[in-house]
Amino acid sequence: AQSVTQLGSHVSVSEGALVLLRCNYSSSVPPYLFWYVQYPNQGLQLLLKYTTGATLVKGINGFEAEFKKSETSFHLTKPSAHMSDAAEYFCAVSETGGFKTIFGAGTRLFVKA
Amino acid sequence: GAVVSQHPSRVICKSGTSVKIECRSLDFQATTMFWYRQFPKQSLMLMATSNEGSKATYEQGVEKDKFLINHASLTLSTLTVTSAHPEDSSFYICSASLVQGAGSDTQYFGPGTRLTVL
Repeated sequence: AQSVTQLGSHVSVSEGALVLLRCNYSSSVPPYLFWYVQYPNQGLQLLLKYTTGATLVKGINGFEAEFKKSETSFHLTKPSAHMSDAAEYFCAVSETGGFKTIFGAGTRLFVKA
Repeated sequence: GAVVSQHPSRVICKSGTSVKIECRSLDFQATTMFWYRQFPKQSLMLMATSNEGSKATYEQGVEKDKFLINHASLTLSTLTVTSAHPEDSSFYICSASLVQGAGSDTQYFGPGTRLTVL
């Protein structure tokens, strides 16, 4: 069975500071991994995804994530936070060839001026 | 990019009535659509997966007779909450993917529907 754990339900950073949102997964087969962002009362928008190949994945809005199999992690980073990055972020995993995507509990990012 | 719409965005209904929520893929054909439920400050819970022209596959614990899903065309799926009760109040989100059965396919999410049952 697959699962996703996001460490920290809330993360607060100053504008211009590094953003680090942590995600660990569990999967019995090679996983596909995703990061989504959700703004209030809206659906989810894909930031980036890892399927195969290069383990460092670059996404939209300056975000990137690195797949580390040995650590079963897929942490999301951004070098410099903007106020507009304040939102809820979800890490998700699905099995290769499978339908179902499992979402983590989410991490709310606060950006201080 | 692929756009998914939901209608209505917000609905308030009385207990005991039924509510239909539409999910449309506007510029692509979606062989698979997913319905999620999201409680305040929580993650998305997959309710069911639907493929065009076939019965939906419901997740364990989701009442299929209460949450009726129809995927009549490649661009439209509907979720009907029958005999709604206050505990059905939630944020319902649909998503659509382009290719059937592949876990790597990106899901395109609708903006969500806020259901409030009085």
